[in-house]
Amino acid sequence: SYELTQPPSVSVSPGQTARITCSGDALPKQYAYWYQQKPGQAPVLVIYKGSERSSGIPERFSGSSSGTTVTLTISGVQAEDEADYYCQSADSISSWVFGGGTKLTVL
Amino acid sequence: EVQLVQSGAEVKKPGESLKISCKGSGYRFTRYWIGWVRQMPGKGLEFMGIIYPGDSDTRYSPSFQGQITISVDNSINTAYLQWSSLKASDTAMYYCAISTGVNQPAGDYWGQGTLVTVSS
Repeated sequence: SYELTQPPSVSVSPGQTARITCSGDALPKQYAYWYQQKPGQAPVLVIYKGSERSSGIPERFSGSSSGTTVTLTISGVQAEDEADYYCQSADSISSWVFGGGTKLTVL
Repeated sequence: EVQLVQSGAEVKKPGESLKISCKGSGYRFTRYWIGWVRQMPGKGLEFMGIIYPGDSDTRYSPSFQGQITISVDNSINTAYLQWSSLKASDTAMYYCAISTGVNQPAGDYWGQGTLVTVSS
């Protein structure tokens, strides 16, 4: 098993760019996935296979990777983007690993 | 439209058994893996296990092996998560999710969650 490490919190003002990182030794070999979870709601997949946006997700959401770190970037953050964000990866269909989650606060 | 509809909230006592469900619609049920994810109060997401309805191939996270049972009933397009003896530490929200992408071990559709409360 392996771990994915995320910062507990990120804060940005509306209109700024938010970057949420996720680090893990396995990330150079495996795709990363990003979920958005708003209070009282189920997670929503926003980025799959590292950089692909899920259907219906605004273009301001993007994913990238560099070495052992993947990044979710939200350009022009809006108040509605305030949520918890989780990265996830897996070395097989049956071994999903989640990061600890990052709370995005829009100031 | 793909939908996963989970059973309602449960309140149980320690030591009791429980089976919660996840009904899929809008897709061929046997085609995609169905996973279960735990979220304890105020905490993050934890992968519990996954089942392939096509052949009932079931795999558990080491953290949950022996603690839960995952099953399906393809005649009613429903997956189940069950406990034989609940503990207070099982109090959590439980989500089912399906993975529809090719070689994509991630949940792209999720149920609304089932809140399980275990308290004496």
